[in-house]
Amino acid sequence: GAVVSQHPSRVICKSGTSVKIECRSLDFQATTMFWYRQFPKQSLMLMATSNEGSKATYEQGVEKDKFLINHASLTLSTLTVTSAHPEDSSFYICSASGQYNSPLHFGNGTRLTVT
Amino acid sequence: DQQVKQNSPSLSVQEGRISILNCDYTNSMFDYFLWYKKYPAEGPTFLISISSIKDKNEDGRFTVFLNKSAKHLSLHIVPSQPGDSAVYFCAASGGGTGNQFYFGTGTSLTVIP
Repeated sequence: GAVVSQHPSRVICKSGTSVKIECRSLDFQATTMFWYRQFPKQSLMLMATSNEGSKATYEQGVEKDKFLINHASLTLSTLTVTSAHPEDSSFYICSASGQYNSPLHFGNGTRLTVT
Repeated sequence: DQQVKQNSPSLSVQEGRISILNCDYTNSMFDYFLWYKKYPAEGPTFLISISSIKDKNEDGRFTVFLNKSAKHLSLHIVPSQPGDSAVYFCAASGGGTGNQFYFGTGTSLTVIP
């Protein structure tokens, strides 16, 4: 079946540095990719929607200059957390969708810890 | 504005019994509905979906029911197994929302051996 690969699964970085998270669709072309953040014991919070070849659409309250999203190809989207701070520590999950009315498939998430 | 709602944050069921997870939505334009299962520290896994032209879809122990007039869907798991213990999210999309998916807040299912 469809597989979405997310890398890295865990990252620890120092405050002020930047971290890049990759999301790849392995066996289908993802016209749309989504980035979510999950806080402990809370639901998935949609951060942004990225469409291949165009600028990402950010949800209200998400800083686009802090969370840089690039969707350069139909199989790869990246999320870069710039100038990370401890409050950015969270579980980030990407997902990808192919055709309309087909399931959304998720990566396994990235646990980011900023010290 | 939460367009997809799961009003029960948790559910406990005995092994072998039926688990029923419920989901309500507000946007009558949604035409595609999905259920996902999520373990801690993992991404959600797709379970089963249903399009609005149907009112029932089965896949093994999992059945999804859709009541469009009530804007309600449910997931039935029978028989429930301890390995089914996880958080279940319902989601909806379609109908002018583009390829956007809207998720409920999740229901944590515990299947007691």
